[in-house]
Amino acid sequence: GAGVSQSPSNKVTEKGKDVELRCDPISGHTALYWYRQSLGQGLEFLIYFQGNSAPDKSGLPSDRFSAERTGGSVSTLTIQRTQQEDSAVYLCASSLRVVDGGYTFGSGTRLTVV
Amino acid sequence: QQQVKQSPQSLIVQKGGISIINCAYENTAFDYFPWYQQFPGKGPALLIAIRPDVSEKKEGRFTISFNKSAKQFSLHIMDSQPGDSATYFCAASIENYGGSQGNLIFGKGTKLSVKP
Repeated sequence: GAGVSQSPSNKVTEKGKDVELRCDPISGHTALYWYRQSLGQGLEFLIYFQGNSAPDKSGLPSDRFSAERTGGSVSTLTIQRTQQEDSAVYLCASSLRVVDGGYTFGSGTRLTVV
Repeated sequence: QQQVKQSPQSLIVQKGGISIINCAYENTAFDYFPWYQQFPGKGPALLIAIRPDVSEKKEGRFTISFNKSAKQFSLHIMDSQPGDSATYFCAASIENYGGSQGNLIFGKGTKLSVKP
């Protein structure tokens, strides 16, 4: 596609439920990133996939968070047993190379845990 | 440990004025410094970026100034317009072997309001 697509755009879930957030990167982009943006805060790095290499999971805040990337394309971020502090906008980005313009972000999924 | 510190947190500028946002970094291995612009309800969009081999880069009304020895870089928006009102993020990363981009470390953002 022309841009990074994220779904759903909004998600309201009850505390304790599991949620899955989806990201479709730009075709051909080898790198995919997940960030979390809380209200009025900056972007917090979560996880990074680069080609066939093992993902960099160093930013995941707890073992309730996990992500996978299938076939080097679509990625799913899963949050198990959601907590109210998980409420945030989850942003996905993809990139090819720095010289090609860096990251392209999707519009995000706004997650609200009630 | 916050690796990229951004200031100010918010900024109000009159139309036609100059907006200046500053960032400081700690990791001397960083070699790519972009600025992103974010409008409400949208993801951040790349505005302009610089590498440490140059001290300044200009694209239209937007200029990045880079001071390697001070580990600081700044965004200047000349002739600021109401349409520039947005949140601006500085960031830094290390380019991986082969030219792929490592994960960006972002500042906390500056909310810019340009008054007509």
